[in-house]
Amino acid sequence: TQLLEQSPQFLSIQEGENLTVYCNSSSVFSSLQWYRQEPGEGPVLLVTVVTGGEVKKLKRLTFQFGDARKDSSLHITAAQPGDTGLYLCAGGEVTNQGGKLIFGQGTELSVKP
Amino acid sequence: EAGVAQSPRYKIIEKRQSVAFWCNPISGHATLYWYQQILGQGPKLLIQFQNNGVVDDSQLPKDRFSAERLKGVDSTLKIQPAKLEDSAVYLCASWALNYGNEQFFGPGTRLTVL
Repeated sequence: TQLLEQSPQFLSIQEGENLTVYCNSSSVFSSLQWYRQEPGEGPVLLVTVVTGGEVKKLKRLTFQFGDARKDSSLHITAAQPGDTGLYLCAGGEVTNQGGKLIFGQGTELSVKP
Repeated sequence: EAGVAQSPRYKIIEKRQSVAFWCNPISGHATLYWYQQILGQGPKLLIQFQNNGVVDDSQLPKDRFSAERLKGVDSTLKIQPAKLEDSAVYLCASWALNYGNEQFFGPGTRLTVL
């Protein structure tokens, strides 16, 4: 059974601080995605990484895929209250039928002004 | 472009009652997913449709859950009878080949079973 473990599960920080969220698995995934979910809404895709060692940046967010494609990290620089939400990593395969995603349990981030 | 629509947004029922959720995916998206998200956990896939056919329902508790997508467009997920542990948010997502590997999620239906 493929599992994705995220850490930490909860994170409460002050505005302006930096943070890193980790997503680890014993399985290899062909791609890994990071989603952000706000209360009362569905997850929204932030980024997809597919190549081992790949680093992608989205404004203040930096995503990295491990060399062995088993783990990933999300680093936020100078966090803002608007970054508050549930961050989910999801590993999976994509086929011409849409593929399948396995989600981690999520990291609940709270950024206080 | 309209997003994935779901209704109702909230539902409260007593155990052993029945409940149904509706999802209308993004127009033209052939693949539709139903996920269950229990509080404090990530979404768990229940069933995946490609048009009106089932691709994967291996994690659907078939003794009480059923889903259909008769015309390959909108879909209904039913629980009969509900148990306390079914309390969760039920998310619908859709996917299309020309959008890469992004799944588009609806806002979800929050079910509370008392």
